[in-house]
Amino acid sequence: DIVMTQSPDSLAVSLGERATINCKSSQSVLSRSNNKNYLAWYQQRPGQPPKLLIYWASTRESGVPDRFSGGGSGTDFTLTVSNLQAEDVAVYYCQQYYGAPLTFGGGTKVEIK
Amino acid sequence: EVQLVESGGGLVQPGGSLRLSCAASGFTFSSYWMTWVRQAPGKGLEWVAIIKQDGSAKYYVDSVKGRFTISRDNAKSSLYLQITSLRAEDTALYYCAKGESGSGWSFDSWGRGTLVTVSS
Repeated sequence: DIVMTQSPDSLAVSLGERATINCKSSQSVLSRSNNKNYLAWYQQRPGQPPKLLIYWASTRESGVPDRFSGGGSGTDFTLTVSNLQAEDVAVYYCQQYYGAPLTFGGGTKVEIK
Repeated sequence: EVQLVESGGGLVQPGGSLRLSCAASGFTFSSYWMTWVRQAPGKGLEWVAIIKQDGSAKYYVDSVKGRFTISRDNAKSSLYLQITSLRAEDTALYYCAKGESGSGWSFDSWGRGTLVTVSS
């Protein structure tokens, strides 16, 4: 199974500043056949279901503000939230879909400083 | 608008069974992979099972293999999860989710979940 490890567990960022979340997979999720990273990011606000933000490691889902960006390749990935807004307070999860079993990271809680 | 509405959760004794349902609308259900993901109280997300568009392929997390069965009825636009031999550690909010059109295995729409509580 591919283990997904997120860091940090939580972080507090001032409004308007940048939050950076890291996600590391125990093996590469980059497919050599199509050169795509099978990595997604989700946002889960309190009391809400998860919401897809990013897939293929860097493709923003329709309707997601461009202050959310994903990067990385292979085993190391980042989610960056620029110009942090109050509505960005949430737990963020990475997920690999390179193969079953699909696995999520443990989550990173983002709060306002 | 895509809508996914789960039902069927409840309080059940250890060893008991439940059938969870997910009613889908707003998209062509038969064209997408569908999945179940659960979240224990105060914990993170755990993928449970996934089923192909025509039901010909199904995958499960090891901890539920042999106890949970995912199925679908494309004519009714419905997804199901039959859960048996329930354990305390199966207590969670169970979400159904729709596969993203490109990969199928990232999930672009989620229901609000149905709560399963396993307790004597």
